[in-house]
Amino acid sequence: AQRVTQPEKLLSVFKGAPVELKCNYSYSGSPELFWYVQYSRQRLQLLLRHISRESIKGFTADLNKGETSFHLKKPFAQEEDSAMYYCALSGVGQAAGNKLTFGGGTRVLVKP
Amino acid sequence: DVKVTQSSRYLVKRTGEKVFLECVQDMDHENMFWYRQDPGLGLRLIYFSYDVKMKEKGDIPEGYSVSREKKERFSLILESASTNQTSMYLCASRGSGNNEQFFGPGTRLTVL
Repeated sequence: AQRVTQPEKLLSVFKGAPVELKCNYSYSGSPELFWYVQYSRQRLQLLLRHISRESIKGFTADLNKGETSFHLKKPFAQEEDSAMYYCALSGVGQAAGNKLTFGGGTRVLVKP
Repeated sequence: DVKVTQSSRYLVKRTGEKVFLECVQDMDHENMFWYRQDPGLGLRLIYFSYDVKMKEKGDIPEGYSVSREKKERFSLILESASTNQTSMYLCASRGSGNNEQFFGPGTRLTVL
């Protein structure tokens, strides 16, 4: 069984402060990890995935297989980063569909 | 640009009614998914389909069924709506060879 845990339901930070969203997973095989974001009144969209190793909108995330974590970080939060963030896992080479398992989500509020 | 549309943004139904939620995608994607989104629980997969007329149960299929008669359309059916099915329902699609899922805007269903 695969599971994704986001321990913080709400993160409140001031503009310009660093922000880190925690994500831990359990999966017996080799996972692919994602962060999805949902801004107010917008649809859920992909923010980044671990295999691309990119920085998107200043966010980075590193897959740590030893700690089974995929934390999302940004050194200087902006007000436009206020949103709901979901960590998600897909098993690589899984049966048809490659379904995603999502964490419970973390709401980020960046205060001016 | 991938477009996933859902037939209604808001829906109010009564207990025991049969409810149809429709999802259409215009990118010729093989895979389509239905999730429900609840605070603190994140997104939970109800059903998915990897081809026309094919369907697979997700993590919470009880009380739901699906239909995929055409590649672009994936319908979620609540045979007899109950109050615990009040939720936000999200549809997503994904092409083959790419794990990114594209989401619709969601349907907020209230069952009275």
